[in-house]
Amino acid sequence: SAVISQKPSRDICQRGTSLTIQCQVDSQVTMMFWYRQQPGQSLTLIATANQGSEATYESGFVIDKFPISRPNLTFSTLTVSNMSPEDSSIYLCSVLLPSGGFNEQFFGPGTRLTVL
Amino acid sequence: KQEVTQIPAALSVPEGENLVLNCSFTDSAIYNLQWFRQDPGKGLTSLLLIQSSQREQTSGRLNASLDKSSGRSTLYIAASQPGDSATYLCAAASGYSTLTFGKGTMLLVSP
Repeated sequence: SAVISQKPSRDICQRGTSLTIQCQVDSQVTMMFWYRQQPGQSLTLIATANQGSEATYESGFVIDKFPISRPNLTFSTLTVSNMSPEDSSIYLCSVLLPSGGFNEQFFGPGTRLTVL
Repeated sequence: KQEVTQIPAALSVPEGENLVLNCSFTDSAIYNLQWFRQDPGKGLTSLLLIQSSQREQTSGRLNASLDKSSGRSTLYIAASQPGDSATYLCAAASGYSTLTFGKGTMLLVSP
């Protein structure tokens, strides 16, 4: 497995502002992902963070709203731009790692965002 | 498009009971299936991963089974404890890395 940390762990923000969430892994990983979990809902994949190139976004998510950086193989950021109350969610990063001869996803502790 | 359903949505049991959580998925062409635990307001802890070629995995009091042909997986928890109280999520990997999550089963084990 890997040790994955996220900053901040939680934040309360005003409508119209932006927040950048950091994800740090203690080992180099090829694939990193960002998920959103809205209240009472399950996890939805926002994008795959690609090192050295633009992120790959899932349907319904766009770069202008959720810009992602991946400057190296251990770090990524997700920015939630021009926030509205509908963006209140837990945001989680995850990594894909070899485990027991296969690949397994491991998740960070999440960032709980509340937008007023 | 893969869809994952978990039943029941919530479950309350007294300590010591054995219990089964159910997960179904619509597309049987999965790469693997993972079970996670999520404590309130927290991230996900991986519990068990079953590859598409496997039928079950065990870890301590947990046993997960997979029946690809019927699109079902179950998580069996033996001798439940209050510390098992959490939301349990299953996720089907339809590709190398794409996970589709169910909405989870919220489990409460009372002393």
